[in-house]
Amino acid sequence: DVVMTQSPLSLPVTLGQPASISCRSSQSLVHSDGNTYLNWFQQRPGQSPRRLIYKVSNRDSGVPDRFSGSGSGTDFTLKISRVEAEDVGAYYCMQGTHWPLTFGGGTKVEIK
Amino acid sequence: EVQLVESGGGLVQPGGSLRLSCAASGFTFRSYWMYWVRQAPGKGLVCVSRINTDGSSTGYEDSVKGRFTISRDNAKNTLYLQMNSLRAEDTAVYYCARGLNWDWGQGTLVTVSS
Repeated sequence: DVVMTQSPLSLPVTLGQPASISCRSSQSLVHSDGNTYLNWFQQRPGQSPRRLIYKVSNRDSGVPDRFSGSGSGTDFTLKISRVEAEDVGAYYCMQGTHWPLTFGGGTKVEIK
Repeated sequence: EVQLVESGGGLVQPGGSLRLSCAASGFTFRSYWMYWVRQAPGKGLVCVSRINTDGSSTGYEDSVKGRFTISRDNAKNTLYLQMNSLRAEDTAVYYCARGLNWDWGQGTLVTVSS
C-alpha cells in the first residue's frame, strides 16, 4: 500500500499568518493516464471531511483562494496564505492513484 | 444539492454483524463509484471499500477483506456495507463518499463492544 506521510502533526498558527503542510508518498502518484490524484481534505471539529484541492493544485468550488496546493511525484504541499479562525481543524492528504486509497495521518491546525 | 445519508450504525457485540446504508440524492447515483471511509475515535481516515458504477467490481482494505461486503442498488440510489465478524478495532464513524467529487455523508457510528 502507498504510505502517505504528513508533517507536522500539529501546527499552531497566528491569525493572518501563513501555514504550510507537507505530504510525502512512498511511491509516485502519477497515474498511467498522466494525472496525479492527490487530494487535500479539511475536517473541522465535529464535521465530515470536505475536499479542498484535487489533482494536486485544483481548488474545489467555494474554497477560498487562500488555500493552494502544489507538488509533483511524491512530494506535495498545502499552503494557507493567511490563516483565519474558520481554518481550525484537521487536514488530510489522500492519494487516489493506487488502490487501496490512502490518507496521510493528518495535521491539526490550531490558533496560537 | 448532493446528499448522502448514512444509517444502520449502533452498538454490536464482538463477532456480530451490522449492515450500513447510504441513501444518495441530488446526483445520478448510477454514474459514480462510491466509497466507505471510516474514522476511529480521535484517529485519521481509512478507506475500507469501494464499488464501481454497476457493482461489478469491488475493493477492500486488507483488515476488512473477507468480513465486509460492499454493494449498491442503483434503482434505490442506495449504497450498502455488510459488516460481519466485527471486532473492537472496527469501532469508528463510517462515512460514505461519492467518488470523483468526494462529497461525504454525515457518518454513522459503529461501536463494537461487549
